[in-house]
Amino acid sequence: DGGITQSPKYLFRKEGQNVTLSCEQNLNHDAMYWYRQDPGQGLRLIYYSQIVNDFQKGDIAEGYSVSREKKESFPLTVTSAQKNPTAFYLCASGQGAGDWGKLFFGSGTQLSVL
Amino acid sequence: AQSVTQPDIHITVSEGASLELRCNYSYGATPYLFWYVQSPGQGLQLLLKYFSGDTLVQGIKGFEAEFKRSQSSFNLRKPSVHWSDAAEYFCAVGVTSYDKVIFGPGTSLSVIP
Repeated sequence: DGGITQSPKYLFRKEGQNVTLSCEQNLNHDAMYWYRQDPGQGLRLIYYSQIVNDFQKGDIAEGYSVSREKKESFPLTVTSAQKNPTAFYLCASGQGAGDWGKLFFGSGTQLSVL
Repeated sequence: AQSVTQPDIHITVSEGASLELRCNYSYGATPYLFWYVQSPGQGLQLLLKYFSGDTLVQGIKGFEAEFKRSQSSFNLRKPSVHWSDAAEYFCAVGVTSYDKVIFGPGTSLSVIP
């Protein structure tokens, strides 16, 4: 089945530690996105990528980094500079011009601080 | 800057009653507008979208939404709510110049028997 796979489902971060959230898609979509979900704040865009080896900052990129070395993969690193990392993280992909804006979401990663 | 507001944080309706969820957007050009639903165990799913043309759009699960440019609104409606409609609903605007999708804060819907 085609879809988006996020792992792990739950992740714990220690003080000063960097952690990486995985996102893989087999939908052959060009665009991929990372959102952060906090109660009452909806989904806020962290980073997005429209093509391999290129990505743009979203509205809350500080303390995060990404890479897009392969079309299928868009990992997100939460660095120690992110002082409030506890949140639910959602990865999404979209096929671009053919059906612009229709995003397919993964099942999410809940990140907590120890 | 582009933004989306959803004035109602939480709404409770009786099963079988009609539903309207409000959405207002701020965007300089003609917007691409979406409604997504987040259900427990099912993740986020697109309900419907508006790009151009007919301002009343139909979506899945019996939902519809109406685009009103004069009010900068894109309200979601359903004539008769089912218990399975209980979920979090997000309105979103597509910013084509930057190729990104901005979401609103969401409205939580509860359905009572």
